[in-house]
Amino acid sequence: DADVTQTPRNRITKTGKRIMLECSQTKGHDRMYWYRQDPGLGLRLIYYSFDVKDINKGEISDGYSVSRQAQAKFSLSLESAIPNQTALYFCATSDTQGTLNTGELFFGEGSRLTVL
Amino acid sequence: GEDVEQSLFLSVREGDSSVINCTYTDSSSTYLYWYKQEPGAGLQLLTYIFSNMDMKQDQRLTVLLNKKDKHLSLRIADTQTGDSAIYFCAEYGDSSYKLIFGSGTRLLVRP
Repeated sequence: DADVTQTPRNRITKTGKRIMLECSQTKGHDRMYWYRQDPGLGLRLIYYSFDVKDINKGEISDGYSVSRQAQAKFSLSLESAIPNQTALYFCATSDTQGTLNTGELFFGEGSRLTVL
Repeated sequence: GEDVEQSLFLSVREGDSSVINCTYTDSSSTYLYWYKQEPGAGLQLLTYIFSNMDMKQDQRLTVLLNKKDKHLSLRIADTQTGDSAIYFCAEYGDSSYKLIFGSGTRLLVRP
């Protein structure tokens, strides 16, 4: 089983609909992140959380919200989806508690969202 | 602000060496990374280098860091078709506590 699991893996929706992407991890990491990938733009950070009570905006947080329900769960919501939010979304985790804290991220397999 | 730049595309012949380049702006970066993304998959860490090093070698991979010019490169020796993927450069800085990614370089290996 994957250590970082994203659901759904694929979703097609219509403009104005509310969408939630969920992420769960079994790695026991304290930090979790949501990134968006667009061709030619690489990965851009939407939101990140360093622990359950900590939520921080990334570089492109407008139109998105997040919830850190538990250490292992971090969900991303689009309250009213629009077509330019069509992208591949990645959840990632990192560990600051280990003896070798290199900042390495561990990624889920991605959630492809299409907004019509 | 922090910025990481890469060229978007590289094509090489199987058996040749590939060199993927990256420039970054955050001089406080403590670690610099190369991630690999295969089709339909998430990113996986390929290798990383600590900022006080100027070279790291790991089997077919050689990472060179020029801290003065803020330039990072990844050399893949004897490139194979299985190396075809998107390669992302990323920096982790003490000032930001998070990874900043480049746009990714798509490597195509021709038989």
